[in-house]
Amino acid sequence: DQQVKQNSPSLSVQEGRISILNCDYTNSMFDYFLWYKKYPAEGPTFLISISSIKDKNEDGRFTVFLNKSAKHLSLHIVPSQPGDSAVYFCAAGGRGGGTASKLTFGTGTRLQVTL
Amino acid sequence: GAVVSQHPSRVICKSGTSVKIECRSLDFQATTMFWYRQFPKQSLMLMATSNEGSKATYEQGVEKDKFLINHASLTLSTLTVTSAHPEDSSFYICSAREGGPGNQPQHFGDGTRLSIL
Repeated sequence: DQQVKQNSPSLSVQEGRISILNCDYTNSMFDYFLWYKKYPAEGPTFLISISSIKDKNEDGRFTVFLNKSAKHLSLHIVPSQPGDSAVYFCAAGGRGGGTASKLTFGTGTRLQVTL
Repeated sequence: GAVVSQHPSRVICKSGTSVKIECRSLDFQATTMFWYRQFPKQSLMLMATSNEGSKATYEQGVEKDKFLINHASLTLSTLTVTSAHPEDSSFYICSAREGGPGNQPQHFGDGTRLSIL
């Protein structure tokens, strides 16, 4: 049972344009959401998070939107840069995870930013 | 930022060998550390939650006697894969969560590529 889903395995965006990565979840008990970026042969790097009491959180070029009623979150990167090319994982945690700190990860979306 | 160091980065060994992987939080104290396993083109699957000074909490389907976890201090957790077999070959990643109130992100090490011949 995949509680966190990233339905797009890959995405290609031109440099300078906006990248939008999507994530859906099924467990309404999740109340904390995160996005991680991962390069090959490295561990994930934390990018940005959002609590369920908010619907938007912004940090530089990265903005995360949360739609609780739709159980959907998205990561916007604008403008996209070639160095953003990586695999992006969304993760969810909170009461739905059994403990407050346990995370459930999506399957990842590979972003390719082209010149 | 929070840094987590994982060692070794790569291990190649014969079937039946036991392999120890270390996970250290370098600039913060981690009351909770996590061990994940990732198969190619799949998500990170949580294996166990390691709590300093107490027994680890294993996820369903993960063998406790196969994957031994020790969290002896606030900055170090170890995962020992005992009597490893080829099916244990995978990418193992640890993470550490800072203490404190409210939600805190997990910070990840760079992973260990384990190959059992």
